[in-house]
Amino acid sequence: GESVGLHLPTLSVQEGDNSIINCAYSNSASDYFIWYKQESGKGPQFIIDIRSNMDKRQGQRVTVLLNKTVKHLSLQIAATQPGDSAVYFCAENAGGTSYGKLTFGQGTILTVHP
Amino acid sequence: GAGVSQSPSNKVTEKGKDVELRCDPISGHTALYWYRQSLGQGLEFLIYFQGNSAPDKSGLPSDRFSAERTGGSVSTLTIQRTQQEDSAVYLCASSAGAVGQGAYEQYFGPGTRLTVT
Repeated sequence: GESVGLHLPTLSVQEGDNSIINCAYSNSASDYFIWYKQESGKGPQFIIDIRSNMDKRQGQRVTVLLNKTVKHLSLQIAATQPGDSAVYFCAENAGGTSYGKLTFGQGTILTVHP
Repeated sequence: GAGVSQSPSNKVTEKGKDVELRCDPISGHTALYWYRQSLGQGLEFLIYFQGNSAPDKSGLPSDRFSAERTGGSVSTLTIQRTQQEDSAVYLCASSAGAVGQGAYEQYFGPGTRLTVT
């Protein structure tokens, strides 16, 4: 079946560096993508989203890039801080009648070293 | 509280017993979702309620799993005759629901950790 997956399961960076977390998707009908952050023992927390009619969206210290040609999504975190250490999930929505139903990737563990 | 709450936070049960997990969504949110997360894995969609529409049950793994949403608010996920493979964290989320009104931004609760012995 179609799914969302991540290229890198783990990523270690030094505090202050920029981080890039990647995600591949295979459902060409997906029209909405979200990044979530999950800290240990907590539920996922919304970070940023992007619709398929855009290729870039910026938030506070985060940028999401969407390349529909190669079905690739990335999350860039600027000036990474120890508090950014968490598991990051990308998720997609294929729209249609279940527009709220998200398919999640497996996650990337980000570790930020002080 | 302003967020999604779930109870219990932890549940240990014996194989074969039934369990009920509760979710209180954010007030006013019309959409409610249940997911399952196994250790070190992503989230697996289970079921989705939107307003008064029939729920999307396409993610329920077997007929031992069922969910209800009473009065458009609180939801209960029931697992009958629990098996060891049901052990996981069960996460509930809610969203504003309507397209164009933050429908996709799902707010998650802290989850219920279920352990079946």
